[in-house]
Amino acid sequence: GNSVTQMEGPVTLSEEAFLTINCTYTATGYPSLFWYVQYPGEGLQLLLKATKADDKGSNKGFEATYRKETTSFHLEKGSVQVSDSAVYFCALTIMKTSYDKVIFGPGTSLSVIP
Amino acid sequence: DVKVTQSSRYLVKRTGEKVFLECVQDMDHENMFWYRQDPGLGLRLIYFSYDVKMKEKGDIPEGYSVSREKKERFSLILESASTNQTSMYLCASNVQGALRPSNYGYTFGSGTRLTVV
Repeated sequence: GNSVTQMEGPVTLSEEAFLTINCTYTATGYPSLFWYVQYPGEGLQLLLKATKADDKGSNKGFEATYRKETTSFHLEKGSVQVSDSAVYFCALTIMKTSYDKVIFGPGTSLSVIP
Repeated sequence: DVKVTQSSRYLVKRTGEKVFLECVQDMDHENMFWYRQDPGLGLRLIYFSYDVKMKEKGDIPEGYSVSREKKERFSLILESASTNQTSMYLCASNVQGALRPSNYGYTFGSGTRLTVV
């Protein structure tokens, strides 16, 4: 079936450290891939997206590349800040007969300490 | 600034009450969704709607109903609230677009934290 797997958290990093959050997926067809971020007490916000193989999505210093050969969409940032502390969700969109279904990963909690 | 607005951030209701959660979007989006978010279970789709007066069950529709009388408003109804419906409820919307699957992400509201006592 279709699914999204993320590395388990919580992840704790020091400020200015390099961040990688792994995401792999299983899907039939050619999904669109997304990363969302959820700050404490808030809803989810779209962080970045990629819609075809080898596309790179980027926003606010975060990047992720759609790797079809490894079915992965890992999130990276070169230097994290305390304000990046949040839960990060990997997601994919697949096509059903009459609508598009979004499948979210379980989320990875990131805590950045000064 | 486009947005999805959920009418309440926090609600406390009693068991057996009928509860209405309201969601309004100002982006003229066709699709609207209700999720619940629980620790360890992630986001689970309750209901969605891809047009006015249309609704489709998601993964966990039991104990819920929805109403979409106008394009901008999507209401979630708990017919008889129970303690196991204590949760964070998230409304989202998106535009369908011409491409399939959609390459438009969702816009989420800030969430309603519902406690049923």
